[in-house]
Amino acid sequence: GENVEQHPSTLSVQEGDSAVIKCTYSDSASNYFPWYKQELGKRPQLIIDIRSNVGEKKDQRIAVTLNKTAKHFSLHITETQPEDSAVYFCAASIGSARQLTFGSGTQLTVLP
Amino acid sequence: DVKVTQSSRYLVKRTGEKVFLECVQDMDHENMFWYRQDPGLGLRLIYFSYDVKMKEKGDIPEGYSVSREKKERFSLILESASTNQTSMYLCASLAPPWNSPLHFGNGTRLTVT
Repeated sequence: GENVEQHPSTLSVQEGDSAVIKCTYSDSASNYFPWYKQELGKRPQLIIDIRSNVGEKKDQRIAVTLNKTAKHFSLHITETQPEDSAVYFCAASIGSARQLTFGSGTQLTVLP
Repeated sequence: DVKVTQSSRYLVKRTGEKVFLECVQDMDHENMFWYRQDPGLGLRLIYFSYDVKMKEKGDIPEGYSVSREKKERFSLILESASTNQTSMYLCASLAPPWNSPLHFGNGTRLTVT
């Protein structure tokens, strides 16, 4: 089955700096790549996703890039703010969110 | 707004007990999921269901079973709880289309002593 590796496991940045979280996947048939954010004590929520026919997608301060050849995708957060502090999970699936495989998570801490 | 409700926020059970974790969603979603969340391991899929009385094994089904008698309710069952099943359990539901977001419940923190 699919295997998703996520790095780093922890990331600390100064407020205003950029943060990058990287994921690799194993199954070249995967074509849907969402990112979920989980604030402390809360449920995970989708923040952005990308399909395999797209190389990059942006939504205000967050962006996701996908390299199908290398089988990796990344989350980019610019101008980080304290409220960006959370655990971020990448995920991959073949054709449907019904069978998402998640990465191990990245604890992002934005330092004031 | 979609609401996914897990019956218990915290649960403490003894080894060998039969444990039921209940999940209810209010949006008539066909697909429902049970995930287990452990530090450093992310979210791992235990079981999912795409229709009433239908179930599919996820990545870590051993030691668990599920029940879906009604569309809105998906139950996770630990037939004989063990200490290695101490974890955070998250229920989720999904509506079409296929790239819609998962809607998670608040989670049940289960401790098996």
